Amino acid sequence: SQQGEEDPQALSIQEGENATMNCSYKTSINNLQWYRQNSGRGLVHLILIRSNEREKHSGRLRVTLDTSKKSSSLLITASRAADTASYFCATTNTGNQFYFGTGTSLTVIP
Amino acid sequence: ETGVTQTPRHLVMGMTNKKSLKCEQHLGHNAMYWYKQSAKKPLELMFVYNFKEQTENNSVPSRFSPECPNSSHLFLHLHTLQPEDSALYLCASSPGTGAINTEAFFGQGTRLTVV
Repeated sequence: SQQGEEDPQALSIQEGENATMNCSYKTSINNLQWYRQNSGRGLVHLILIRSNEREKHSGRLRVTLDTSKKSSSLLITASRAADTASYFCATTNTGNQFYFGTGTSLTVIP
Repeated sequence: ETGVTQTPRHLVMGMTNKKSLKCEQHLGHNAMYWYKQSAKKPLELMFVYNFKEQTENNSVPSRFSPECPNSSHLFLHLHTLQPEDSALYLCASSPGTGAINTEAFFGQGTRLTVV
């Protein structure tokens, strides 16, 4: 399967804490992307990291990629209640098709 | 607003009904996708169109029939569905399946309930 797999499935933290989610995949990739989904809505793109990059930052988001281990992590620093959502990693191949996992459900408690 | 609009947002249909889901994008993209999202399962890629041509059909049952009349519009025609087809159906677009390192833009989804 080309789909990513996120870990943990669910995460609950206090506001102000950092949240870390992990993604593992099985095939070679062009890039890995992270998306966010509020309950029952569409997915929104957060950040893209290319296969030749190891780390990328965007605001409070930090993404790492280890292609030798076929894994990625998403760190959200100083979490806010508004960060409550599901987070998905997606891998793309040479056909630029997007393969998603089951997601991590993040709850940030005010 | 992502530039991808799906209608209807909610749909309840009987197993003998025929209905269609519509997706429209205003981003000038050339690739469009249908995904199915069921609880506790990965998003399932159903169909991919690139420049109006279907490039992927992920072993989807024939009771789901896609149509892409142009690069801006994508339909999913539904007939004789089963209760297990109840899910959130998501449409997405991207610049094109030949363009690497681009992102997908999603619509808000259609929540389908089959009774």
